[in-house]
Amino acid sequence: NAGVTQTPKFQVLKTGQSMTLQCAQDMNHNSMYWYRQDPGMGLRLIYYSASEGTTDKGEVPNGYNVSRLNKREFSLRLESAAPSQTSVYFCASSNWYTTLGEKLFFGSGTQLSVL
Amino acid sequence: TQLLEQSPQFLSIQEGENLTVYCNSSSVFSSLQWYRQEPGEGPVLLVTVVTGGEVKKLKRLTFQFGDARKDSSLHITAAQPGDTGLYLCAGGDSNYQLIWGAGTKLIIKP
Repeated sequence: NAGVTQTPKFQVLKTGQSMTLQCAQDMNHNSMYWYRQDPGMGLRLIYYSASEGTTDKGEVPNGYNVSRLNKREFSLRLESAAPSQTSVYFCASSNWYTTLGEKLFFGSGTQLSVL
Repeated sequence: TQLLEQSPQFLSIQEGENLTVYCNSSSVFSSLQWYRQEPGEGPVLLVTVVTGGEVKKLKRLTFQFGDARKDSSLHITAAQPGDTGLYLCAGGDSNYQLIWGAGTKLIIKP
């Protein structure tokens, strides 16, 4: 049982390049999330999908777009990468959104550097 | 804006010692979760507390949710090198969105 799978594990981009981070979960979860983690700042929510067919902005959505391709897959796209987007990105999933104490399952992260 | 402050930011102790890390806020949370994150991996849930004053134990780890549901603590007894990691707390707000602390980096030396 793989859980949440993210690709790629590492990526280096030049300013202005675009890329898509892929995420898939095999737990039949309804909700999926994209976070970024920066030193000393904790996890910040970029976008989330409460259920298949819906997506919503989180705390820091600027410069990103998402697609909930189906129930399993949720991708994050950087259209024109900027150095400020250098970070570690995590995809997560949960059974339901807005449920008290819902458990999040995280992927192993993508370390992205934008030069 | 709701904030969760974790302290200390960094803690390095010897194997066998006890320690407590804290997660504090001026806001009330509907739930409080603790996650542990190891290098190169995503966070893994340790515990969820939802009732003010609630205490949960997970082997040598004891978690407490404050009576007013504004703060939480994690106490580790007889720390082991396997406890090394980044400990994150996350509070559920009135809409059940998660507010994350910045984490406590814990190193247990053999």
